[in-house]
Amino acid sequence: EAQVTQNPRYLITVTGKKLTVTCSQNMNHEYMSWYRQDPGLGLRQIYYSMNVEVTDKGDVPEGYKVSRKEKRNFPLILESPSPNQTSLYFCASSLQGADYHEQYFGPGTRLTVT
Amino acid sequence: GQSLEQPSEVTAVEGAIVQINCTYQTSGFYGLSWYQQHDGGAPTFLSYNALDGLEETGRFSSFLSRSDSYGYLLLQELQMKDSASYFCAVRDMDDMRFGAGTRLTVKP
Repeated sequence: EAQVTQNPRYLITVTGKKLTVTCSQNMNHEYMSWYRQDPGLGLRQIYYSMNVEVTDKGDVPEGYKVSRKEKRNFPLILESPSPNQTSLYFCASSLQGADYHEQYFGPGTRLTVT
Repeated sequence: GQSLEQPSEVTAVEGAIVQINCTYQTSGFYGLSWYQQHDGGAPTFLSYNALDGLEETGRFSSFLSRSDSYGYLLLQELQMKDSASYFCAVRDMDDMRFGAGTRLTVKP
């Protein structure tokens, strides 16, 4: 089954404790992206990757890191989480080029930072 | 600045037709997409317009006017299961920008 998976689905952590949210897709997509969703703000792009070893900042990259060492994986790293990073996070993937617009989203990770 | 504007809420009755508008202002534009998100779920792709005009996919249609920086999603024969949030999104160079979403409530 074609899908994007994220782990963990739920996470409660404390300020400053480094964490990683994993994202993996099995569709051989070149493009991958991370979003955060907050009430009234829609989906805001954090980072995206056009292909292996190619990443770029989205609209809200501060406090986040990503890496793309393999085509299927795109982990999101919070080196020192803060309460304002409490949010719902989605990973998404898509083909490149003309098919770029149709993004497939993972189930989401609800993060709470206390 | 760069922005996408869409109504925050829309209410309609079962069987009716509803239109959700989206106006955008972005530095680049490659196309307008629409996504549906049910409560507790992930966004799912509905439609995409790269060129002016109407695209139809079953009960859903999407329209784009590039000269007006405007598009809309048209939902016909509304069903209770269409109650969800709907997001317009613009592909701007390599990144994607989403509107804040329109919450559609379908009443019996």
